[in-house]
Amino acid sequence: QQQVKQSPQSLIVQKGGISIINCAYENTAFDYFPWYQQFPGKGPALLIAIRPDVSEKKEGRFTISFNKSAKQFSLHIMDSQPGDSATYFCAAEETSGSRLTFGEGTQLTVNP
Amino acid sequence: NAGVTQTPKFQVLKTGQSMTLQCAQDMNHNSMYWYRQDPGMGLRLIYYSASEGTTDKGEVPNGYNVSRLNKREFSLRLESAAPSQTSVYFCASIPDRARQPQHFGDGTRLSIL
Repeated sequence: QQQVKQSPQSLIVQKGGISIINCAYENTAFDYFPWYQQFPGKGPALLIAIRPDVSEKKEGRFTISFNKSAKQFSLHIMDSQPGDSATYFCAAEETSGSRLTFGEGTQLTVNP
Repeated sequence: NAGVTQTPKFQVLKTGQSMTLQCAQDMNHNSMYWYRQDPGMGLRLIYYSASEGTTDKGEVPNGYNVSRLNKREFSLRLESAAPSQTSVYFCASIPDRARQPQHFGDGTRLSIL
């Protein structure tokens, strides 16, 4: 079963708009939540990550919001650009180890 | 700086054939991973190796074997390929066990007819 659920599966946004991707988890042992970005033909690359001791982390146009009580976290991309068109994966890691559990992925298309 | 290198980039096999996917990293990382990526299913861990000489099963290990040849190289073998193993395979590495970004190769696209 998928331990990290991600939605939507695909997302189309106009240039300058806000892209929002949501993830939910069940395992309370997860304590590290990275987001990876993947361009076609390439491997995923770390975009931004958060730990549950903070509710929000911002890096440029990318923000992670974290709701520990709801066991949900989301990625917001402000002022979305065509160059942001990619597949985005949320992930989670337990305290005890270095194994990442990935969400299903969201294919983002930003139209010019 | 090559990072994580995977070979081959593409491969077509017939059912029942065997092959080995190669992965090498030049970052002196301890841990290495093999994932498969299928549409709508994200990245699923096949096997991982926390250090040279050790390997552990991930979420979907059936039908695969791995070898951590040395600190640099981690290979994935399909002994008898099946159409269900058609996928994109990614190798990744991290320098130590926790809270470090995984560095991915660009994948091997494998089709099994």
